[in-house]
Amino acid sequence: TQLLEQSPQFLSIQEGENLTVYCNSSSVFSSLQWYRQEPGEGPVLLVTVVTGGEVKKLKRLTFQFGDARKDSSLHITAAQPGDTGLYLCAGIRDDKIIFGKGTRLHILP
Amino acid sequence: DAGITQSPRHKVTETGTPVTLRCHQTENHRYMYWYRQDPGHGLRLIHYSYGVKDTDKGEVSDGYSVSRSKTEDFLLTLESATSSQTSVYFCAISESSPTTQPQHFGDGTRLSIL
Repeated sequence: TQLLEQSPQFLSIQEGENLTVYCNSSSVFSSLQWYRQEPGEGPVLLVTVVTGGEVKKLKRLTFQFGDARKDSSLHITAAQPGDTGLYLCAGIRDDKIIFGKGTRLHILP
Repeated sequence: DAGITQSPRHKVTETGTPVTLRCHQTENHRYMYWYRQDPGHGLRLIHYSYGVKDTDKGEVSDGYSVSRSKTEDFLLTLESATSSQTSVYFCAISESSPTTQPQHFGDGTRLSIL
């Protein structure tokens, strides 16, 4: 059973455009993490959101945790080729971490 | 970057042979994890350890065993490799439970079972 659904699975956009990717679940999580993974490397943690409704910003990346703590979004403003990668969300529940399948993002120069 | 070394980084072997992957950390973190990553499935937890000689199963543990005799080393063994175990394997560490501390990942081992 896939508890975390990420959408879209793939996204290819031009440099300078804005985009949003989503991480949705029917389950409540105590916290949610976002990772970025580049080819040949392991995932690297970007942010952890803990409180329902919480918004965190990391330069051009804005992360939001849903009010009910069931979903999250990642918004990138003015995307750059360096943003290319696989974005994974991971929900923490019952002392376990559950990963989504990821959104593969490609920014065209 | 967290001090995590996975070895080997690449391995090709035949069905039925035993395979051991090693994860070595220099951070003295209590928790260590083994994941596999496959297209269409994402990251799935195989086994994890919460201390020396303390291990537990993850969601895809069948066909795998682990051992942790020292804080710094976590071994993943495929007793008799099958083609379905072809995957990229990632080790991760965290200071304590993932509910309170983030995980840091190694760079992976690409394993091909022919």
